Amino acid sequence: EPEVTQTPSHQVTQMGQEVILRCVPISNHLYFYWYRQILGQKVEFLVSFYNNEISEKSEIFDDQFSVERPDGSNFTLKIRSTKLEDSAMYFCASRSGAAGELFFGEGSRLTVL
Amino acid sequence: AQSVAQPEDQVNVAEGNPLTVKCTYSVSGNPYLFWYVQYPNRGLQFLLKYITGDNLVKGSYGFEAEFNKSQTSFHLKKPSALVSDSALYFCAVRDTDSWGKLQFGAGTQVVVTP
Repeated sequence: EPEVTQTPSHQVTQMGQEVILRCVPISNHLYFYWYRQILGQKVEFLVSFYNNEISEKSEIFDDQFSVERPDGSNFTLKIRSTKLEDSAMYFCASRSGAAGELFFGEGSRLTVL
Repeated sequence: AQSVAQPEDQVNVAEGNPLTVKCTYSVSGNPYLFWYVQYPNRGLQFLLKYITGDNLVKGSYGFEAEFNKSQTSFHLKKPSALVSDSALYFCAVRDTDSWGKLQFGAGTQVVVTP
Protein backbone atom coordinates (compact mmCIF):
# COMPACT_ATOMS: atom_id res chain seq x y z
CA GLU A 1 0.00 0.00 0.00
CA PRO A 2 1.45 3.40 -0.93
CA GLU A 3 2.47 5.59 1.95
CA VAL A 4 3.90 8.97 2.81
CA THR A 5 7.47 8.72 4.04
CA GLN A 6 9.30 11.29 6.15
CA THR A 7 12.92 11.80 7.09
CA PRO A 8 14.50 12.18 9.53
CA SER A 9 12.40 10.48 12.16
CA HIS A 10 14.07 12.55 14.86
CA GLN A 11 16.34 15.58 14.66
CA VAL A 12 17.98 17.45 17.49
CA THR A 13 19.27 20.92 16.72
CA GLN A 14 20.55 24.01 18.45
CA MET A 15 18.44 27.15 18.60
CA GLY A 16 19.12 29.38 15.61
CA GLN A 17 20.12 26.55 13.30
CA GLU A 18 18.41 25.77 10.01
CA VAL A 19 16.46 22.53 9.71
CA ILE A 20 15.09 20.78 6.64
CA LEU A 21 12.44 18.12 7.02
CA ARG A 22 11.82 15.88 4.05
CA CYS A 23 8.75 14.11 2.79
CA VAL A 24 7.96 11.84 -0.12
CA PRO A 25 4.21 12.03 -0.74
CA ILE A 26 2.21 9.29 -2.41
CA SER A 27 3.17 9.36 -6.07
CA ASN A 28 -0.12 10.24 -7.78
CA HIS A 29 -1.21 12.79 -5.18
CA LEU A 30 -1.53 16.44 -6.10
CA TYR A 31 -2.03 18.26 -2.80
CA PHE A 32 0.58 18.41 -0.07
CA TYR A 33 0.49 19.60 3.51
CA TRP A 34 2.56 20.16 6.59
CA TYR A 35 1.08 19.95 10.08
CA ARG A 36 2.69 20.01 13.48
CA GLN A 37 1.80 18.55 16.84
CA ILE A 38 3.33 19.68 20.09
CA LEU A 39 3.71 16.92 22.68
CA GLY A 40 0.69 14.83 21.69
CA GLN A 41 -1.60 17.81 21.68
CA LYS A 42 -3.70 19.33 18.94
CA VAL A 43 -2.66 18.83 15.34
CA GLU A 44 -2.08 22.27 13.80
CA PHE A 45 -2.13 23.16 10.12
CA LEU A 46 0.95 24.89 8.78
CA VAL A 47 0.72 25.04 5.00
CA SER A 48 -0.83 23.52 1.92
CA PHE A 49 0.86 23.25 -1.47
CA TYR A 50 -0.60 22.66 -4.89
CA ASN A 51 0.68 23.12 -8.43
CA ASN A 52 4.11 24.12 -7.15
CA GLU A 53 2.95 26.96 -4.97
CA ILE A 54 1.56 27.60 -1.52
CA SER A 55 -2.23 27.54 -1.63
CA GLU A 56 -2.89 28.32 2.00
CA LYS A 57 -0.87 28.93 5.15
CA SER A 58 -1.57 29.49 8.81
CA GLU A 59 -0.38 32.22 11.15
CA ILE A 60 2.22 29.80 12.47
CA PHE A 61 3.84 29.64 9.03
CA ASP A 62 5.80 32.87 9.26
CA ASP A 63 8.88 34.06 7.36
CA GLN A 64 11.04 31.52 9.15
CA PHE A 65 9.25 28.69 7.36
CA SER A 66 9.38 27.74 3.72
CA VAL A 67 8.32 24.79 1.61
CA GLU A 68 9.64 23.49 -1.64
CA ARG A 69 9.08 20.68 -4.08
CA PRO A 70 12.53 20.57 -5.67
CA ASP A 71 11.82 17.57 -7.87
CA GLY A 72 8.87 15.38 -8.77
CA SER A 73 8.89 13.44 -5.55
CA ASN A 74 10.26 15.30 -2.54
CA PHE A 75 8.39 17.92 -0.53
CA THR A 76 10.45 19.77 2.06
CA LEU A 77 9.80 22.04 5.02
CA LYS A 78 12.61 24.39 5.99
CA ILE A 79 12.88 26.30 9.23
CA ARG A 80 15.55 28.97 8.80
CA SER A 81 16.39 29.81 12.37
CA THR A 82 14.85 27.43 14.85
CA LYS A 83 13.39 28.54 18.16
CA LEU A 84 12.74 26.50 21.27
CA GLU A 85 9.00 26.64 20.57
CA ASP A 86 9.52 24.95 17.21
CA SER A 87 10.07 21.69 19.07
CA ALA A 88 7.25 19.46 17.88
CA MET A 89 6.32 16.52 15.73
CA TYR A 90 5.97 17.62 12.12
CA PHE A 91 3.69 15.65 9.86
CA CYS A 92 3.60 15.67 6.10
CA ALA A 93 0.37 14.68 4.34
CA SER A 94 -0.88 14.32 0.81
CA ARG A 95 -4.15 13.66 -0.97
CA SER A 96 -5.33 12.91 -4.45
CA GLY A 97 -8.62 14.38 -5.53
CA ALA A 98 -11.20 16.88 -4.43
CA ALA A 99 -12.91 14.88 -1.71
CA GLY A 100 -10.00 12.73 -0.71
CA GLU A 101 -8.77 12.16 2.76
CA LEU A 102 -5.27 13.16 3.77
CA PHE A 103 -2.66 10.46 4.15
CA PHE A 104 -0.11 11.24 6.83
CA GLY A 105 3.48 10.21 7.26
CA GLU A 106 4.88 8.91 10.52
CA GLY A 107 6.25 12.30 11.40
CA SER A 108 9.60 13.96 12.09
CA ARG A 109 10.25 14.81 15.70
CA LEU A 110 12.19 18.08 16.02
CA THR A 111 13.89 18.92 19.28
CA VAL A 112 15.40 22.40 19.58
CA LEU A 113 17.87 22.89 22.41
CA ALA B 1 -14.22 29.56 9.80
CA GLN B 2 -14.70 25.87 10.33
CA SER B 3 -14.03 24.18 13.64
CA VAL B 4 -14.61 20.95 15.49
CA ALA B 5 -15.03 20.27 19.18
CA GLN B 6 -14.30 17.07 21.02
CA PRO B 7 -15.82 17.61 24.45
CA GLU B 8 -14.10 14.69 26.18
CA ASP B 9 -10.36 14.64 26.87
CA GLN B 10 -10.55 10.96 27.71
CA VAL B 11 -13.01 8.11 27.36
CA ASN B 12 -12.67 4.99 29.47
CA VAL B 13 -14.43 1.80 28.45
CA ALA B 14 -14.17 -1.87 29.33
CA GLU B 15 -13.23 -4.31 26.61
CA GLY B 16 -16.32 -5.66 24.88
CA ASN B 17 -18.43 -2.62 25.72
CA PRO B 18 -19.62 -0.08 23.15
CA LEU B 19 -17.32 2.85 22.48
CA THR B 20 -18.46 6.35 21.55
CA VAL B 21 -16.21 9.32 20.92
CA LYS B 22 -18.05 12.60 20.48
CA CYS B 23 -17.47 15.33 17.92
CA THR B 24 -19.42 18.42 16.98
CA TYR B 25 -18.60 20.72 14.11
CA SER B 26 -19.15 24.22 12.82
CA VAL B 27 -18.80 25.08 9.14
CA SER B 28 -20.17 27.70 6.82
CA GLY B 29 -21.10 25.30 4.03
CA ASN B 30 -21.52 21.57 3.64
CA PRO B 31 -19.03 19.72 5.81
CA TYR B 32 -16.52 17.10 4.91
CA LEU B 33 -15.90 15.23 8.17
CA PHE B 34 -13.13 12.81 9.08
CA TRP B 35 -11.93 10.64 11.91
CA TYR B 36 -8.29 9.76 12.44
CA VAL B 37 -6.54 7.62 15.04
CA GLN B 38 -3.05 8.10 16.42
CA TYR B 39 -1.13 5.43 18.28
CA PRO B 40 1.80 6.49 20.49
CA ASN B 41 4.69 7.98 18.52
CA ARG B 42 2.96 7.28 15.23
CA GLY B 43 1.31 9.28 12.47
CA LEU B 44 -2.39 9.83 12.00
CA GLN B 45 -4.28 6.97 10.41
CA PHE B 46 -7.47 7.61 8.50
CA LEU B 47 -10.53 5.77 9.85
CA LEU B 48 -13.50 7.09 7.93
CA LYS B 49 -15.09 10.12 6.31
CA TYR B 50 -18.44 11.67 5.55
CA ILE B 51 -18.77 13.61 2.33
CA THR B 52 -22.36 13.03 1.27
CA GLY B 53 -24.90 10.23 1.19
CA ASP B 54 -25.84 7.89 4.03
CA ASN B 55 -25.57 9.41 7.46
CA LEU B 56 -24.04 6.23 8.85
CA VAL B 57 -20.50 5.78 7.61
CA LYS B 58 -18.51 2.60 8.09
CA GLY B 59 -14.75 2.65 8.29
CA SER B 60 -11.65 0.71 9.24
CA TYR B 61 -11.24 -1.66 12.20
CA GLY B 62 -15.00 -1.95 12.82
CA PHE B 63 -15.52 1.75 13.47
CA GLU B 64 -18.50 3.71 12.23
CA ALA B 65 -19.74 7.26 12.59
CA GLU B 66 -23.11 8.91 12.37
CA PHE B 67 -23.53 12.28 10.70
CA ASN B 68 -26.31 14.34 12.29
CA LYS B 69 -26.89 17.61 10.51
CA SER B 70 -29.46 18.99 12.95
CA GLN B 71 -27.15 18.42 15.91
CA THR B 72 -23.99 19.23 13.90
CA SER B 73 -22.41 16.09 15.25
CA PHE B 74 -20.28 13.29 13.88
CA HIS B 75 -19.77 10.81 16.72
CA LEU B 76 -17.43 7.85 16.29
CA LYS B 77 -18.70 4.49 17.47
CA LYS B 78 -17.62 0.91 17.82
CA PRO B 79 -20.04 -1.75 19.06
CA SER B 80 -17.44 -3.76 20.98
CA ALA B 81 -14.17 -2.14 22.01
CA LEU B 82 -10.82 -3.92 22.06
CA VAL B 83 -7.80 -3.18 24.24
CA SER B 84 -5.94 -2.46 21.01
CA ASP B 85 -8.36 0.41 20.30
CA SER B 86 -6.64 2.40 23.04
CA ALA B 87 -5.28 5.45 21.23
CA LEU B 88 -5.80 9.15 20.56
CA TYR B 89 -8.72 9.90 18.27
CA PHE B 90 -9.10 13.08 16.26
CA CYS B 91 -12.16 14.45 14.53
CA ALA B 92 -11.50 16.81 11.62
CA VAL B 93 -13.53 19.03 9.33
CA ARG B 94 -12.86 20.53 5.95
CA ASP B 95 -14.71 23.37 4.33
CA THR B 96 -15.67 22.67 0.76
CA ASP B 97 -14.15 26.01 -0.23
CA SER B 98 -10.73 25.34 1.24
CA TRP B 99 -7.68 23.81 -0.36
CA GLY B 100 -8.36 20.62 1.48
CA LYS B 101 -6.98 21.82 4.78
CA LEU B 102 -8.33 19.82 7.69
CA GLN B 103 -9.11 21.50 10.98
CA PHE B 104 -8.58 19.00 13.80
CA GLY B 105 -10.25 18.76 17.15
CA ALA B 106 -8.21 18.61 20.33
CA GLY B 107 -8.33 14.83 20.38
CA THR B 108 -9.87 12.29 22.72
CA GLN B 109 -7.76 9.70 24.47
CA VAL B 110 -9.52 6.33 24.50
CA VAL B 111 -8.52 3.85 27.18
CA VAL B 112 -9.92 0.35 26.89
CA THR B 113 -9.36 -1.82 29.94
CA PRO B 114 -9.34 -5.62 29.87
